[in-house]
Amino acid sequence: SAVISQKPSRDICQRGTSLTIQCQVDSQVTMMFWYRQQPGQSLTLIATANQGSEATYESGFVIDKFPISRPNLTFSTLTVSNMSPEDSSIYLCSVESNAIGPPGETQYFGPGTRLLVL
Amino acid sequence: TQLLEQSPQFLSIQEGENLTVYCNSSSVFSSLQWYRQEPGEGPVLLVTVVTGGEVKKLKRLTFQFGDARKDSSLHITAAQPGDTGLYLCAGKAGGTSYGKLTFGQGTILTVHP
Repeated sequence: SAVISQKPSRDICQRGTSLTIQCQVDSQVTMMFWYRQQPGQSLTLIATANQGSEATYESGFVIDKFPISRPNLTFSTLTVSNMSPEDSSIYLCSVESNAIGPPGETQYFGPGTRLLVL
Repeated sequence: TQLLEQSPQFLSIQEGENLTVYCNSSSVFSSLQWYRQEPGEGPVLLVTVVTGGEVKKLKRLTFQFGDARKDSSLHITAAQPGDTGLYLCAGKAGGTSYGKLTFGQGTILTVHP
């Protein structure tokens, strides 16, 4: 498995501001993903963080609102820009790699970042 | 777009009872993963099933992948309060080694002592 940490674990922010969430993995991984989750509900994929190139965004999510960086194989950031109360959610990063499990069969999640926008 | 219908959405039972959670789709998945999530934490991978008809057991939990790889079930025997949490199924489409997961809506399980 992989040990994944996220910073911050939670934050309360004012509308109109931006927050950058960090995801750190204890080993090099092939794929990193960013999800959003309302408490008690399912996960929605925001984007795939690609190392050395622009992230691949899912329908309904755009780079201007959720810029993503992935400078190396162990680290990624997600920024929630110009926040509104509707952005209040749990943001999770996940990783997948043949070094930690069969490709496509083992995706591990970080502990999440709980964001409240006032 | 592939969809996974997970049911029931809520389940409240007494300790010692059995339960089954279902995930169904009209699409074929190359693999299906089951996760359990507790409040304040990220989802924890319980098991991955990849072969049609496959059955995997994890202590009191039994996971089954449908023959056609379109559906899956999670059965818990003699549930305990420690089983309480959000259970999520997630399927991966075929065609690529790595790929995004399609998640079911989740089942919130509460086991009362």
